[in-house]
Amino acid sequence: QSVLTQPPSVSAAPGQKVTISCSGGSSKNGNNDVSWYQQVPGTAPKLLIYESNKRPSGIPDRFSGSKSGTSATLGITGLQTGDEADYYCGTWDNSLSAVVFGGGTKLTVL
Amino acid sequence: QVQLQQWGAGLLKSSETLSLTCAVYGGSVSGYYWSWLRQPPGKGLEWIGEINHSGTTIYNPSLKSRVTISVDTSKNQFSLRLSSMTAADTAVYYCARGSQVLDSWGQGTLVTVSS
Repeated sequence: QSVLTQPPSVSAAPGQKVTISCSGGSSKNGNNDVSWYQQVPGTAPKLLIYESNKRPSGIPDRFSGSKSGTSATLGITGLQTGDEADYYCGTWDNSLSAVVFGGGTKLTVL
Repeated sequence: QVQLQQWGAGLLKSSETLSLTCAVYGGSVSGYYWSWLRQPPGKGLEWIGEINHSGTTIYNPSLKSRVTISVDTSKNQFSLRLSSMTAADTAVYYCARGSQVLDSWGQGTLVTVSS
């Protein structure tokens, strides 16, 4: 069972917008930033968002992140079939003294 | 752009020790933290631990008694050893650059533990 909670799956039509939530962890983590990763099956994860709302170079602005307290949200606009993947949130857990992840959310672009 | 290439044995027997190495190309191990993670088949990511170029390590408490991560700055690479492997340790193992923010990843190594 993961420390962070994500919905198992989300879906939307091409061109639409979707959000993926990430919540849980210790209340002591309220000030800890969240990262988001995209993983196409059979490949290594790829960093999408860091420090809760920053995008690495090369990540399109269709991807966005936000955080409030111990909850974070990944937003994807203008959905494309190439966005179909598993998405994971991660953060440092002060109570566990470890990096922890959500269980992952499978995005289906209908 | 930094690239990570990892290698190691992919098939182990119960009680054996896993040994994986990750080489860093296009950058230096100095100045960064380097992590190991794993992903059991069909499941999510689990952080194993991290090391910096000075050899300072932090391990996942759930694996701490069995894990050793080391760094070789002369070879620009870092390594993972996980002892007393069991079937529950079967997973794809990844190396990555960073600590809480993992911005470059190795290709992954499927490690299967048989009884």
